[in-house]
Amino acid sequence: DVKVTQSSRYLVKRTGEKVFLECVQDMDHENMFWYRQDPGLGLRLIYFSYDVKMKEKGDIPEGYSVSREKKERFSLILESASTNQTSMYLCASSLWTAYSNQPQHFGDGTRLSIL
Amino acid sequence: GESVGLHLPTLSVQEGDNSIINCAYSNSASDYFIWYKQESGKGPQFIIDIRSNMDKRQGQRVTVLLNKTVKHLSLQIAATQPGDSAVYFCAEIPRPYSGTYKYIFGTGTRLKVLA
Repeated sequence: DVKVTQSSRYLVKRTGEKVFLECVQDMDHENMFWYRQDPGLGLRLIYFSYDVKMKEKGDIPEGYSVSREKKERFSLILESASTNQTSMYLCASSLWTAYSNQPQHFGDGTRLSIL
Repeated sequence: GESVGLHLPTLSVQEGDNSIINCAYSNSASDYFIWYKQESGKGPQFIIDIRSNMDKRQGQRVTVLLNKTVKHLSLQIAATQPGDSAVYFCAEIPRPYSGTYKYIFGTGTRLKVLA
């Protein structure tokens, strides 16, 4: 089974802090993704990465950055946390193939509260 | 409590009955579709997928039907059990396939199984 592990289930930080959310997958997947999930808005893509050190902006990248130094690990960084970044953050990974789409597999999320 | 399910349509089904959850997708060029299940406090879990060259696919107790004419996707769960209670949402992936791609997620339907 695919295992996507997010380092924290719950996190409370203060406005202005730099926040790191970590995600590790054990299936040697090329693609990794960060989403946030808010009531009524569904899943929104923040950033994704298709290879080590490669990244692309998603739909809502403002206020966030990412790092992918190793294939199995994808980090989301809130440079200066603000209260509107309080949310559920979900990491996902998927296999890359040349000919067909493959499903994304998700971690259990980090519920982040910014006070 | 879990807040991801706020504002969602709800389907209530008696235990043992069959459930049908529907999804209208937006892009006629989408060629890959996935159903996810999200239980309270957990991340989305892959259930089943279907490609546009098929109109039906079966898994264990689940069947996905694809009607490309009306851009409609449905998930049928046979003999619904209490453990099936969750939010279910669909994802569509538009063509052309590029190796890196963005999902379009539905907002979901909450399934409640009544004892």
